Amino acid sequence: NAGVTQTPKFRVLKTGQSMTLLCAQDMNHEYMYWYRQDPGMGLRLIHYSVGEGTTAKGEVPDGYNVSRLKKQNFLLGLESAAPSQTSVYFCASSYSPGQEEYSGNTIYFGEGSWLTVV
Amino acid sequence: QQPVQSPQAVILREGEDAVINCSSSKALYSVHWYRQKHGEAPVFLMILLKGGEQKGHDKISASFNEKKQQSSLYLTASQLSYSGTYFCGTEIAGATNKLIFGTGTLLAVQP
Repeated sequence: NAGVTQTPKFRVLKTGQSMTLLCAQDMNHEYMYWYRQDPGMGLRLIHYSVGEGTTAKGEVPDGYNVSRLKKQNFLLGLESAAPSQTSVYFCASSYSPGQEEYSGNTIYFGEGSWLTVV
Repeated sequence: QQPVQSPQAVILREGEDAVINCSSSKALYSVHWYRQKHGEAPVFLMILLKGGEQKGHDKISASFNEKKQQSSLYLTASQLSYSGTYFCGTEIAGATNKLIFGTGTLLAVQP
């Protein structure tokens, strides 16, 4: 049981380049999230998904796109990377209230992806 | 919308107590507490649902005052392993499918 797995763990991009972060979970969670973490800012929600084929904007969605084509995967894309997107990105997932295993919206985090845009 | 945590940082000696507060400007459905060690992912501590409950395990407990839209995390007889950054996460009433985190409280426990 791997939990929540993120790839890649480290990446350096040049300004203007594009890239995709992949998140995979094997816990049959309906909900998935992408957060970014910056010093002094805590964890800020970028986008989230409440089920396969659905996505929604979080607190800081600008400059990012997401897709949830399969229930177990949640992709975060940067179309044209900017230095302001240098951050640590965390993917997370949780059960939905409609799932039998639900016992409060406990969120499970991946190990993080360190992205530097130069 | 982001909840406010206080204090921003606290330094303790082993065995001392600490309280971390989390307050929101919105009506809350639940409050979650997480701890993050440097370079690692946040780890779930506990969740409190509306109804004004209090929870705890070992020497870490928390309370949730729904009317005041506040939660507090209590760490008693602190141990070195308690060091890290503590985050509260809030689910707003009517928007319970996303968790919004506070800016964190850095806790350092010294021998």
